[in-house]
Amino acid sequence: GAGVSQTPSNKVTEKGKYVELRCDPISGHTALYWYRQSLGQGPEFLIYFQGTGAADDSGLPNDRFFAVRPEGSVSTLKIQRTERGDSAVYLCASSHFLGELFFGEGSRLTVL
Amino acid sequence: ILNVEQSPQSLHVQEGDSTNFTCSFPSSNFYALHWYRWETAKSPEALFVMTLNGDEKKKGRISATLNTKEGYSYLYIKGSQPEDSATYLCAFYRNSGGSNYKLTFGKGTLLTVNP
Repeated sequence: GAGVSQTPSNKVTEKGKYVELRCDPISGHTALYWYRQSLGQGPEFLIYFQGTGAADDSGLPNDRFFAVRPEGSVSTLKIQRTERGDSAVYLCASSHFLGELFFGEGSRLTVL
Repeated sequence: ILNVEQSPQSLHVQEGDSTNFTCSFPSSNFYALHWYRWETAKSPEALFVMTLNGDEKKKGRISATLNTKEGYSYLYIKGSQPEDSATYLCAFYRNSGGSNYKLTFGKGTLLTVNP
């Protein structure tokens, strides 16, 4: 499709497990963002890629979180040793450089 | 103001009422201000991208103004309809140094329009 695609749409895992969330941006968009939304909050910035490199990863909460975008297109957000507090909707968005963001439908992560 | 702040947090209006809400942001290192609408069970969608002080933008019954010197933007909805019910997010692009830019979202204003 022409939009931002995120998989899986829903992920239930147990505390301590490893999780990967995938984002397919709109073709041609150089910028890719990961945000996290917890209940009752606005989107919380995690990391921003411009091309293949992470231009700003200051929002990653700790070293259990890591994201890659090896070819400047698809990105994977990786969470190690998941904790219950990681439960949230993880949103991916892409844009042209400094343009409006186009969001995917999110991956809802539930850590039991 | 160090972060993006939106007020009110939530708002209930009757169908046909006009309403407005505020986004406040740091006035230094400003690049752009975005407004997004986020309906339940959908993804956020862009309403406006604003870059110039004094900008006014309009889309149907929704309009927005921008004051970069004092660091605020207003979103107005004229004659609210139930389909306007959503969370309205503003996001502030700032230059964080060199070629680094960061987009920071507010927590949103949840608008409920009662028929």
